[in-house]
Amino acid sequence: GQQLNQSPQSMFIQEGEDVSMNCTSSSIFNTWLWYKQDPGEGPVLLIALYKAGELTSNGRLTAQFGITRKDSFLNISASVPSDVGIYFCAGPRDDKIIFGKGTRLHILP
Amino acid sequence: DSGVTQTPKHLITATGQRVTLRCSPRSGDLSVYWYQQSLDQGLQFLIQYYNGEERAKGNILERFSAQQFPDLHSELNLSSLELGDSALYFCASNSGGGEQFFGPGTRLTVL
Repeated sequence: GQQLNQSPQSMFIQEGEDVSMNCTSSSIFNTWLWYKQDPGEGPVLLIALYKAGELTSNGRLTAQFGITRKDSFLNISASVPSDVGIYFCAGPRDDKIIFGKGTRLHILP
Repeated sequence: DSGVTQTPKHLITATGQRVTLRCSPRSGDLSVYWYQQSLDQGLQFLIQYYNGEERAKGNILERFSAQQFPDLHSELNLSSLELGDSALYFCASNSGGGEQFFGPGTRLTVL
């Protein structure tokens, strides 16, 4: 079936560092979505990308729709403690949304 | 606040029992999606309803069923519960675009 592969699976960083994560697929997506899930909460949409090559920012977050339409990247600048959580990429497919398994972000004290 | 509501927030029950989880979509959204998330796992798509009709099915067990009512709220029924059914259950809604908006989830614990 369709799969979205996210890497890394988890990250341990210091507060203030920049973060990069990515999501790849063996097939093309026409929309890429990035969600964040806080512990015990539902995922919240961070950024939606609709066009190959598109670069979109939301505060300290920047996401890019890969030119091949088979990948997407999420960057977080100057991380803060509230960035802790799981980041999911997702893409619509046949009335469903396919989710990656997530990148778990930890911030070291 | 996504505008999607789910009740109850927490549910504790025993094996073999049956429970019903409820979801109200965002105002105006016709589609409701149900997901299961086990501990430290990703989101597993269960089923989608659109305007009262089943639209898509994922890895939903035969012991599970869902429906969407005329007022567009949806219920997920889980029966003959097993320990492995313990998980977070999320519903999401949208109005036809790619983005889905998630509710806060119901945490089900089966003892």
